[in-house]
Amino acid sequence: NAGVTQTPKFRVLKTGQSMTLLCAQDMNHEYMYWYRQDPGMGLRLIHYSVGEGTTAKGEVPDGYNVSRLKKQNFLLGLESAAPSQTSVYFCASSYYSSETQYFGPGTRLLVL
Amino acid sequence: QQQVKQSPQSLIVQKGGISIINCAYENTAFDYFPWYQQFPGKGPALLIAIRPDVSEKKEGRFTISFNKSAKQFSLHIMDSQPGDSATYFCAAKTNFGNEKLTFGTGTRLTIIP
Repeated sequence: NAGVTQTPKFRVLKTGQSMTLLCAQDMNHEYMYWYRQDPGMGLRLIHYSVGEGTTAKGEVPDGYNVSRLKKQNFLLGLESAAPSQTSVYFCASSYYSSETQYFGPGTRLLVL
Repeated sequence: QQQVKQSPQSLIVQKGGISIINCAYENTAFDYFPWYQQFPGKGPALLIAIRPDVSEKKEGRFTISFNKSAKQFSLHIMDSQPGDSATYFCAAKTNFGNEKLTFGTGTRLTIIP
């Protein structure tokens, strides 16, 4: 039981490049989330999903897209990376009937 | 608009002392208040949580105090240990749906010998 895993762990991008961050969970959780963590700003919700095939915007969705084609996976895409997207990205998941969110280990992204 | 305000941003406490982190909220629809603990290089993990029908919840050395009228809640760590050194986030959730948590900005706690 690996819990929540994230790929890759670290990535460097040039401005304008695109990439996809992968989140996978093996706990059969319905809800999944993408957050970004920046110094002094805490965890801010980017997008979330309440089930396979569904997505919704969070607090800071601009510049990101997501997809939940399979229940266990939640993808975060950056179509044209900007330096302002330099951050640590965390994925989380939870049961629909529980408030507890389980976080992955994070992906550190540097956009030059 | 920040709905959950957390203070202090950083805190240094001597080993054996009491660490206190405070949070305040504005949205009276919040009905679940968890604290998450994050060690360097790791994702946050749930530490302890409280609902507004009680004023205090204790789990081992960790206690949440909740003041509904003041819209404030705090985390107290008794007999603080070096292993408690981490970043702590308070959060809140409304009473409709289980989808979203609103997090505070975090407190970096350092316990010194």
